[in-house]
Amino acid sequence: GQNIDQPTEMTATEGAIVQINCTYQTSGFNGLFWYQQHAGEAPTFLSYNVLDGLEEKGRFSSFLSRSKGYSYLLLKELQMKDSASYLCAVMDSNYQLIWGAGTKLIIKP
Amino acid sequence: GAVVSQHPSWVICKSGTSVKIECRSLDFQATTMFWYRQFPKQSLMLMATSNEGSKATYEQGVEKDKFLINHASLTLSTLTVTSAHPEDSSFYICSASRLAGGSDTQYFGPGTRLTVL
Repeated sequence: GQNIDQPTEMTATEGAIVQINCTYQTSGFNGLFWYQQHAGEAPTFLSYNVLDGLEEKGRFSSFLSRSKGYSYLLLKELQMKDSASYLCAVMDSNYQLIWGAGTKLIIKP
Repeated sequence: GAVVSQHPSWVICKSGTSVKIECRSLDFQATTMFWYRQFPKQSLMLMATSNEGSKATYEQGVEKDKFLINHASLTLSTLTVTSAHPEDSSFYICSASRLAGGSDTQYFGPGTRLTVL
């Protein structure tokens, strides 16, 4: 079966750095997405990785290793507004998005 | 760019009535649109995928006669929840993709919170 694993919840301190990991097993691979979802709101797109390596976008970076079936989202200089759920999703060979359950990130002052 | 809107943002209806939710891509043409449902503290659940001008493809366990989807144009898809019941109360979110089959980033609408009394 297809499976996406990410931690259920993480806690970090304002101003710090946090890394949210995602491992996946899917039938085929056409890219991995990270979305941010604040409570009660719809997801917003953060990043897309299809090749191995690190993609940096401001305070947020996303890394992919296809051979290991692994990705992480790195958030730097954490702000209180970064408190949200972070969803990892993999596009399989049929271009279907397989969603992880999300990681709830709690930022403390 | 890539803005998706949904209307209404929230709706309360009586059991047995039907509710229509609209999803629009405002600044791009969406060949494929997706409808998701999300219960509190749970992950997104894909309900169906629709391509403009063709019938929607429903996920296993989703009743096509209960959740009617119409993707009439490249900028509009509608989801109609027919004969709604309290168990249909949920957060319904659409997303849109430029390319056919969704082989592209999905951009999400803000969601519609449905409460069935």
